[in-house]
Amino acid sequence: EDKVVQSPLSLVVHEGDTVTLNCSYEVTNFRSLLWYKQEKKAPTFLFMLTSSGIEKKSGRLSSILDKKELFSILNITATQTGDSAVYLCAVEDYSGAGSYQLTFGKGTKLSVIP
Amino acid sequence: DTAVSQTPKYLVTQMGNDKSIKCEQNLGHDTMYWYKQDSKKFLKIMFSYNNKELIINETVPNRFSPKSPDKAHLNLHINSLELGDSAVYFCASSQFAGGRETQYFGPGTRLLVL
Repeated sequence: EDKVVQSPLSLVVHEGDTVTLNCSYEVTNFRSLLWYKQEKKAPTFLFMLTSSGIEKKSGRLSSILDKKELFSILNITATQTGDSAVYLCAVEDYSGAGSYQLTFGKGTKLSVIP
Repeated sequence: DTAVSQTPKYLVTQMGNDKSIKCEQNLGHDTMYWYKQDSKKFLKIMFSYNNKELIINETVPNRFSPKSPDKAHLNLHINSLELGDSAVYFCASSQFAGGRETQYFGPGTRLLVL
């Protein structure tokens, strides 16, 4: 059973639209939730969220975490064609012995058309 | 029913040793990748490989070498381990090569060099 579930799996919008990407998770010892943007080679780090209710913002992108309901959203306002990418959510949880593991969701493929 | 698996999960070893990390995918994908995650959560691509082409990130020391016995496996060999090699290494696979192909990530291997 997947521990990190992203929705939708794919999304097509027009330039200027606002999109919301979802990530829900189920882990035992949550440490953080990470968002990445993958468009060329390696996924590019966007945000790391550890506390509920505190919005992280970078330009037109913002993200927030709800640790009670176990989900996060990534918002992109005024989308541009350059936002077209796969957005990955990953959750870090403590796996014992002083270590942690990172579990990735399957990603949301966003296509922004002019 | 794991899609992308890595072994071992944790690896603690002495400086100067040679070690290998194994990666297997049962998705029938053509392309596999190795990433190194740094302390800032950035994912740095090390290699991408399909049955036709190996692409090496030029910043990767030649102590690191990928070995692919077949399409479903891409193992990472590291010679003469150094302290700075300590990190989490992720294997991933995608159906085809290409920036926006969804990549499926393994659970990661935490390497600690003493």
